Amino acid sequence: ETAVFQTPNYHVTQVGNEVSFNCKQTLGHDTMYWYKQDSKKLLKIMFSYNNKQLIVNETVPRRFSPQSSDKAHLNLRIKSVEPEDSAVYLCASSFTGASSYEQYFGPGTRLTVL
Amino acid sequence: GEQVEQRPPHLSVREGDSAVIICTYTDPNSYYFFWYKQEPGAGLQLLMKVFSSTEINEGQGFTVLLNKKDKQLSLNLTAAHPGDSAVYFCAPHSGGNYKPTFGKGTSLVVHP
Repeated sequence: ETAVFQTPNYHVTQVGNEVSFNCKQTLGHDTMYWYKQDSKKLLKIMFSYNNKQLIVNETVPRRFSPQSSDKAHLNLRIKSVEPEDSAVYLCASSFTGASSYEQYFGPGTRLTVL
Repeated sequence: GEQVEQRPPHLSVREGDSAVIICTYTDPNSYYFFWYKQEPGAGLQLLMKVFSSTEINEGQGFTVLLNKKDKQLSLNLTAAHPGDSAVYFCAPHSGGNYKPTFGKGTSLVVHP
């Protein structure tokens, strides 16, 4: 099956803890993204990677750090979570170039910080 | 950078009615235009796309129209059914851009 996979689906944690989210795509794409989606469904891009290289690093708190081992994997670590980090984190992938810029999204990881 | 305005934020229609969602964008270099659908508890799924060169696309009961002069993109649903209930996002793209821009979304509810 070719798609974008995210783990875990849900995560509940307490303020100050560290969390990690995983994303893997089997579509052969060269670019991967992390988005934060708030309770109003607003999408905010956090990071973009192209062929394992960080291309876009939006203004996010330094406690967020992406990690890419290869172009099929992009993880997100949050050190010392805060209540405002509660959201759905969406991973996506795409080709860049060759008229194929549409993105394919994973199902998301819902983070709740107590 | 690209600015995208999407309206309306909420839309409620009855089964069989039509529905229209409109996006206005600012970047004149936008060439690829996407509409995504997000069902509850799921990620976004590509619904339709249109290119600047074609300006129209149809499928799955939807029509996408591009008005380049007014920098406006619309998603038209001719006969809604409850399965169309979801949040819809527009996303214009200029190509070679690693920072995609999305509209704020339209929550469509179709009542039986």
